[in-house]
Amino acid sequence: SQKIEQNSEALNIQEGKTATLTCNYTNYSPAYLQWYRQDPGRGPVFLLLIRENEKEKRKERLKVTFDTTLKQSLFHITASQPADSATYLCALPAPYGNKLVFGAGTILRVKS
Amino acid sequence: KAGVTQTPRYLIKTRGQQVTLSCSPISGHRSVSWYQQTPGQGLQFLFEYFSETQRNKGNFPGRFSGRQFSNSRSEMNVSTLELGDSALYLCASSSGGTPLNTEAFFGQGTRLTVV
Repeated sequence: SQKIEQNSEALNIQEGKTATLTCNYTNYSPAYLQWYRQDPGRGPVFLLLIRENEKEKRKERLKVTFDTTLKQSLFHITASQPADSATYLCALPAPYGNKLVFGAGTILRVKS
Repeated sequence: KAGVTQTPRYLIKTRGQQVTLSCSPISGHRSVSWYQQTPGQGLQFLFEYFSETQRNKGNFPGRFSGRQFSNSRSEMNVSTLELGDSALYLCASSSGGTPLNTEAFFGQGTRLTVV
């Protein structure tokens, strides 16, 4: 079955720096990949969707890349702010059936 | 436009009891998915409904069931509760015929504690 791996350790960065989060997947070639943000005690919030034919996608301070050869997506937050502190989840469609499979998430802490 | 509404927000139940959770999707959304989130397992897919039909089911025991009504509102039921069922239960709705290529909108979740 497909496997999704995200940085298991929390990422601590200084305000103003660029945060880079990694999502690796195996045994699978998804047509799409999504990124979500989740704050404690709340449901995930959709951030970006990138398709396999889109190498890069941007939205304000966010940038996502999708390397289907490396089977990896990178999620960047530029000029990070303390308000960006949260857990970031990547999600892929399962090979079969209408369901999203989520990674375990990476905790991002931005310190001022 | 109202978001996804889940009720109740918090619930405490005793082992062996059953529980029903409710989810009202965004108006016009016909796909509703349910997830269980625990610290150890992360977000695990339970099932997905579209136009009152269960289209897909995750690897959960038969104690977990769900349904969707004609107005797209969905309920999930857990019978014979176990301590391990304590989790945040999330539902997500999407507008497309598949939740895969469109964004999923999540509710705030229902925090279930089994004692």
